[in-house]
Amino acid sequence: DQQVKQNSPSLSVQEGRISILNCDYTNSMFDYFLWYKKYPAEGPTFLISISSIKDKNEDGRFTVFLNKSAKHLSLHIVPSQPGDSAVYFCAARNYGGSQGNLIFGKGTKLSVKP
Amino acid sequence: DAGVIQSPRHEVTEMGQEVTLRCKPISGHDYLFWYRQTMMRGLELLIYFNNNVPIDDSGMPEDRFSAKMPNASFSTLKIQPSEPRDSAVYFCASSLNTDYNSPLHFGNGTRLTVT
Repeated sequence: DQQVKQNSPSLSVQEGRISILNCDYTNSMFDYFLWYKKYPAEGPTFLISISSIKDKNEDGRFTVFLNKSAKHLSLHIVPSQPGDSAVYFCAARNYGGSQGNLIFGKGTKLSVKP
Repeated sequence: DAGVIQSPRHEVTEMGQEVTLRCKPISGHDYLFWYRQTMMRGLELLIYFNNNVPIDDSGMPEDRFSAKMPNASFSTLKIQPSEPRDSAVYFCASSLNTDYNSPLHFGNGTRLTVT
């Protein structure tokens, strides 16, 4: 029973265009959402996060949108660069929970073609 | 800062053997986590520690798995006896605390293959 779902295992985008990675969740008690990026043979690294009291958070080329009514969040990368090619994990945390309560999706592999 | 350091990077062992994975968290981080990544289940939390004390081990698959944190700079995850279904990438992570602005810092993982 997956509480955090990334339904697209892979995504291919042209350099310079927008990449949109999607994530759906089922638990309405999640109050904090994060995106991690993972390169091959490395551990995931934190990218960006958003609290449930917001609907948008922006950091440079990366923007995360949260739609609580739809239980959906997305990560936008504009413009996409070849160095963005990686696996992206969506994660969510229960209300009042700790980092130990993070639930991860299975990831989406992004390929940005030059 | 060297980041979270895991050893070994790769481990190949035969079924029934004992396997020990090691982790050195970032100095000053109070929380340490062990995750396992598989194709089927993705990233799943096995156990985490706060100030060297295990807080939640509900993700540990079975009694064959055990984890210890004898001091603030070292943790081990042991599998005894190992089985082929334990083959996965095992990640250790640490964080300063559990605040919003304290994300997990992952090591580069140990790829375990049990034949």
